[in-house]
Amino acid sequence: DTEVTQTPKHLVMGMTNKKSLKCEQHMGHRAMYWYKQKAKKPPELMFVYSYEKLSINESVPSRFSPECPNSSLLNLHLHALQPEDSALYLCASSQGIGRGDTQYFGPGTRLTVL
Amino acid sequence: GENVEQHPSTLSVQEGDSAVIKCTYSDSASNYFPWYKQELGKGPQLIIDIRSNVGEKKDQRIAVTLNKTAKHFSLHITETQPEDSAVYFCAARMNSGYSTLTFGKGTMLLVSP
Repeated sequence: DTEVTQTPKHLVMGMTNKKSLKCEQHMGHRAMYWYKQKAKKPPELMFVYSYEKLSINESVPSRFSPECPNSSLLNLHLHALQPEDSALYLCASSQGIGRGDTQYFGPGTRLTVL
Repeated sequence: GENVEQHPSTLSVQEGDSAVIKCTYSDSASNYFPWYKQELGKGPQLIIDIRSNVGEKKDQRIAVTLNKTAKHFSLHITETQPEDSAVYFCAARMNSGYSTLTFGKGTMLLVSP
């Protein structure tokens, strides 16, 4: 099973709201990723967690706050977002972050910021 | 850092024809090259990948070829079907501890019945 699940599927929020995106995998993978994808563009890496520790932060604004409570779960906390943050947010996981470890993506959360 | 160029940006074929999408990469240290298919409203789905110690890999109607000398790799889809219509992304990754995937800009494949 190569399934990564994400909730919610769709989210609409105002600029003053606080919300969270959730991601879960049960493949025993130890690396998890958040990507942002704008329409007609490739995914852009935001964060990488390895063994529940933040390994990479691609200079993402602090209004995005990742959290990895355990090896199966990854959250992305959102606060005071801007309309330009509207995008598809994708979670992915891989066995590790070593040589050519295959990344499996979830279906994404479509976020709209009003 | 790594740079991946992908061509064409749009490809229209008739059902049953073959489709070829090409990517070039800049960093000779890259050694892992996956291809993802993304249907409208869905996340990218891995369809095939190749590592630098292999020149070609096939999986039914899909094949990927890698030319390390020229630093390019290609996706070949034979006997295309309407359900192959999607955006396809190539990617490259270096062999180092915290290396990440660098994606091409994507190819929209349209297969007409």
